Amino acid sequence: NAGVTQTPKFRILKIGQSMTLQCTQDMNHNYMYWYRQDPGMGLKLIYYSVGAGITDKGEVPNGYNVSRSTTEDFPLRLELAAPSQTSVYFCASSYALERTGELFFGEGSRLTVL
Amino acid sequence: KNEVEQSPQNLTAQEGEFITINCSYSVGISALHWLQQHPGGGIVSLFMLSSGKKKHGRLIATINIQEKHSSLHITASHPRDSAVYICAVRNYGGSQGNLIFGKGTKLSVKP
Repeated sequence: NAGVTQTPKFRILKIGQSMTLQCTQDMNHNYMYWYRQDPGMGLKLIYYSVGAGITDKGEVPNGYNVSRSTTEDFPLRLELAAPSQTSVYFCASSYALERTGELFFGEGSRLTVL
Repeated sequence: KNEVEQSPQNLTAQEGEFITINCSYSVGISALHWLQQHPGGGIVSLFMLSSGKKKHGRLIATINIQEKHSSLHITASHPRDSAVYICAVRNYGGSQGNLIFGKGTKLSVKP
């Protein structure tokens, strides 16, 4: 199994550009999440989804959008990139956290906004 | 004050040593997770605890709900254990998605 696959691994954007980080999982998990990790800080939740067609904001959603048209895919859209969005982004998935508790993470996407 | 505090922030050990990483939290929780982040950046889930103790190979995780404290122990440490270990809690009554993460403990095991 591929698990959680996210692309691209690295990207440099100019201020004001837009892009989409792709995330796909092949484990039939209902729950999917996008986190950002800044140096010296804990992971912060951007958006999450509990199933196809359902998304909700996390702790730091401003400047981002998501969609969940299928169980497998959960893309993260950055509109009008800003230097504050320079970070490492992780996509993750799980069954309901009460059920197994195990989170599966993608390899991360390092984004730099200049 | 952070809701999840880990100690130490950095830890250097010699191969074979017994290692303990601590996590204290200030909120009521329904579960606590231990994660491992490899030097290359990938994150792997190690344990989820809601009470007591779990063991997997050389790793042992314990939690004391009354004291709001968890420990991750590594027995017979090895250089391949070098990584950042992250504690995360699910706030009781919080949304499904929102784990609160500690900043991590960076472990370096020297041969």
